[in-house]
Amino acid sequence: DTAVSQTPKYLVTQMGNDKSIKCEQNLGHDTMYWYKQDSKKFLKIMFSYNNKELIINETVPNRFSPKSPDKAHLNLHINSLELGDSAVYFCASSLAGGTQYFGPGTRLLVL
Amino acid sequence: EDKVVQSPLSLVVHEGDTVTLNCSYEVTNFRSLLWYKQEKKAPTFLFMLTSSGIEKKSGRLSSILDKKELFSILNITATQTGDSAIYLCAVESEGAQKLVFGQGTRLTINP
Repeated sequence: DTAVSQTPKYLVTQMGNDKSIKCEQNLGHDTMYWYKQDSKKFLKIMFSYNNKELIINETVPNRFSPKSPDKAHLNLHINSLELGDSAVYFCASSLAGGTQYFGPGTRLLVL
Repeated sequence: EDKVVQSPLSLVVHEGDTVTLNCSYEVTNFRSLLWYKQEKKAPTFLFMLTSSGIEKKSGRLSSILDKKELFSILNITATQTGDSAIYLCAVESEGAQKLVFGQGTRLTINP
């Protein structure tokens, strides 16, 4: 049973393309997150949603648009991909104030 | 701005050694400090610490928090090659609903 799942696991695409990453959790959590991990393994928060409402948007370019159709899903759409977007993107979920559990990550490579 | 600094950034030891990983932080309205272990994929949760001086233990791993001096340590005794990973420290402040991560410590255990 996968608690937090992401698709795809790997994504290789050209600069300028638009792509989406999907995240689903089956833990009954009410808060979901997107983090970006750069080549130096530094994990940084991008977005946080609580009960489908955007709580945090950490100075992320507006080419990145999260969408939460329901509490169990938080998708990330990226427009006009740039080389600097190459990273591993992690989805996480928690009950508000509780421990965050991470998905397996999506490795994005922009060529 | 909240800040987490881990040391050392990298550590190589022999199997059976004991290691201590350090995490210092500056955060407004501290709520909790968390340790995660990251091997090839998702960070996996180890400990959540909220109170000073209370050791949390799980097998050969233990951790303690000092809220006066603003740091935490993660100890691993009798290390095994399977302990090789990046260990991440993160803090959460009250109401923030996000984790602020340190740079991580890359631990390598040689046989």
